[in-house]
Amino acid sequence: QKEVEQDPGPLSVPEGAIVSLNCTYSNSAFQYFMWYRQYSRKGPELLMYTYSSGNKEDGRFTAQVDKSSKYISLFIRDSQPSDSATYLCATAMKYGNQFYFGTGTSLTVIP
Amino acid sequence: DSGVTQTPKHLITATGQRVTLRCSPRSGDLSVYWYQQSLDQGLQFLIQYYNGEERAKGNILERFSAQQFPDLHSELNLSSLELGDSALYFCASSVSNEKLFFGSGTQLSVL
Repeated sequence: QKEVEQDPGPLSVPEGAIVSLNCTYSNSAFQYFMWYRQYSRKGPELLMYTYSSGNKEDGRFTAQVDKSSKYISLFIRDSQPSDSATYLCATAMKYGNQFYFGTGTSLTVIP
Repeated sequence: DSGVTQTPKHLITATGQRVTLRCSPRSGDLSVYWYQQSLDQGLQFLIQYYNGEERAKGNILERFSAQQFPDLHSELNLSSLELGDSALYFCASSVSNEKLFFGSGTQLSVL
């Protein structure tokens, strides 16, 4: 079983829609949770970071971690064509030295 | 701009050749990670260095090697190149294992 599972999509939504991106993870020792946005052939950009459980909001983006179900979510409100990218979730342990990435979900926001 | 610098941005070479990819981490970051991303594939962890010492190894081929120098910059050496080595190679750095910051990548094309 992979440490992090992510539906690859692709996901296509109209402009203005609410987007929900999700990952599941297997190891309850994971404490750090990240979402990265990667435009085509560019480096992944850290979008959201959460420590342990709970929600974190930044503008149109909300990251949610449910440790009881080992579920990570990213919500994008009022989606824009510029949000079209691949979104990767990632986790890490508190005293580890590795990061575990999902395979990424490809999102297209149609004007 | 993540603060992680990778050079060169593009590299075109022939099978059997050897190349060196260079990475300068963010100021203050002691850890450097190398990842490979093939077309439409996820990020594959290759190797991690912390303050000059190898810390973790992933799916790195024996033909590949890396090192981190006293000034903390890192180099990834790829030798006896094959067509299948064509990929985007990312360097990332972190000050702890909470967040990872990626460079813009080196696009390697082996012809």
